[in-house]
Amino acid sequence: ETVLTQSPATLSLSPGERATLSCRASQSVSSSLAWYQQKPGQAPRLLIYDASNRATGIPARFSGSGSGTDFTLTISSLEPEDFAVYYCQQRSNWPPAFGPGTKVDIK
Amino acid sequence: EVQLVESGGGLVKPGGSLRLSCAASGFTFSSYSMNWVRQAPGKGLEWVSSVTSNSNYIYYADSVKGRFTISRDNAKNSLYLQMDSLRAEDTAVYYCARDTGSGWSYYDYWGQGTLVTVSS
Repeated sequence: ETVLTQSPATLSLSPGERATLSCRASQSVSSSLAWYQQKPGQAPRLLIYDASNRATGIPARFSGSGSGTDFTLTISSLEPEDFAVYYCQQRSNWPPAFGPGTKVDIK
Repeated sequence: EVQLVESGGGLVKPGGSLRLSCAASGFTFSSYSMNWVRQAPGKGLEWVSSVTSNSNYIYYADSVKGRFTISRDNAKNSLYLQMDSLRAEDTAVYYCARDTGSGWSYYDYWGQGTLVTVSS
């Protein structure tokens, strides 16, 4: 079973700042990794798939990178609506799994 | 517009049963694999089960295997989750999610979720 670890658990930043979130897999997942955003009381939203491809309608300030076991989600300049919890998810190895999440909150 | 609307959640005693439904609209339901993903209160996301477009392949997380049954009715554009032998640890919001691939892939559309509470 592939375990995903996300760091940091919480990231406190101000609007306009750059956010860098990390996701590490216990074994290689190739590029089969996605990122989701979840706001309180809402369902998750797909942001990035296959490590670096933005999903439909996702702003260009969101970007993903990495392959193998180390992945990064970058938000180039935080907007007020970006403060949320972010999850990574792998689909390379059975069973599909999510990371524990990184909360991005307002400093 | 793609819409997924879950229903059927509620309060059930340990050992009891519940059937969740997900009504899909705005896309060709019969062409997509579908999934159930759950989230315990204040916790992260957990994939539960997947079914391919024609129900040929079905997958379950070990935590629910033998207790939960996923099914779909393409004529009714609906996805189901029959949950039996429920445990306290099954308490969660259950989301219906569309698959981007052929089962246990990524999830590009989600419903609003339905809360299942297992408690005596």
